[in-house]
Amino acid sequence: GAGVSQSPSNKVTEKGKDVELRCDPISGHTALYWYRQSLGQGLEFLIYFQGNSAPDKSGLPSDRFSAERTGGSVSTLTIQRTQQEDSAVYLCASTIVPGTGELFFGEGSRLTVL
Amino acid sequence: SQQGEEDPQALSIQEGENATMNCSYKTSINNLQWYRQNSGRGLVHLILIRSNEREKHSGRLRVTLDTSKKSSSLLITASRAADTASYFCAPPGNTGKLIFGQGTTLQVKP
Repeated sequence: GAGVSQSPSNKVTEKGKDVELRCDPISGHTALYWYRQSLGQGLEFLIYFQGNSAPDKSGLPSDRFSAERTGGSVSTLTIQRTQQEDSAVYLCASTIVPGTGELFFGEGSRLTVL
Repeated sequence: SQQGEEDPQALSIQEGENATMNCSYKTSINNLQWYRQNSGRGLVHLILIRSNEREKHSGRLRVTLDTSKKSSSLLITASRAADTASYFCAPPGNTGKLIFGQGTTLQVKP
């Protein structure tokens, strides 16, 4: 597609279950970012992938969170043993030139942990 | 690490008025970007201003940058109800990482 695609758009899960969120960036974009946004709050940085460099994981809130980017394209954010405080919208963005290029955001994956 | 801080947190104006929101950041930058977020949607890029520019215009948007004060401002002139959204600034870190602040929530009343 032409834009950043995220799936699922909505996910309801039970506390303690694992979830996977997927991001398809724009083709050719070397940098990919994950953010989390709780209701009425700003964006919380989670992780940043740039080309073949080691990802910047400094924003991941706990070791229950992990992310990978396969083949420099699709990324998956995995949350293990979900907690209610994990409920938020998870946003993915990509850009062709990190730090200078415009970020293109997906519409987000809304996660609700019951 | 580098992060933009927007001020005010919330702004409510009447249609037709101008809206000004400010951004402060910590370390030197090559450029600064502004983004807009409509409720429940992803962010959309508005404008980028480079460190050697003091002012930039795009339609009803005017962005200024004062690198000596490490601050930027976004002015929306002749506001419309459709401008109601949250606005974020994003000064990039030296690795290209972008950390957003809490944003300014703008409400334009018709």
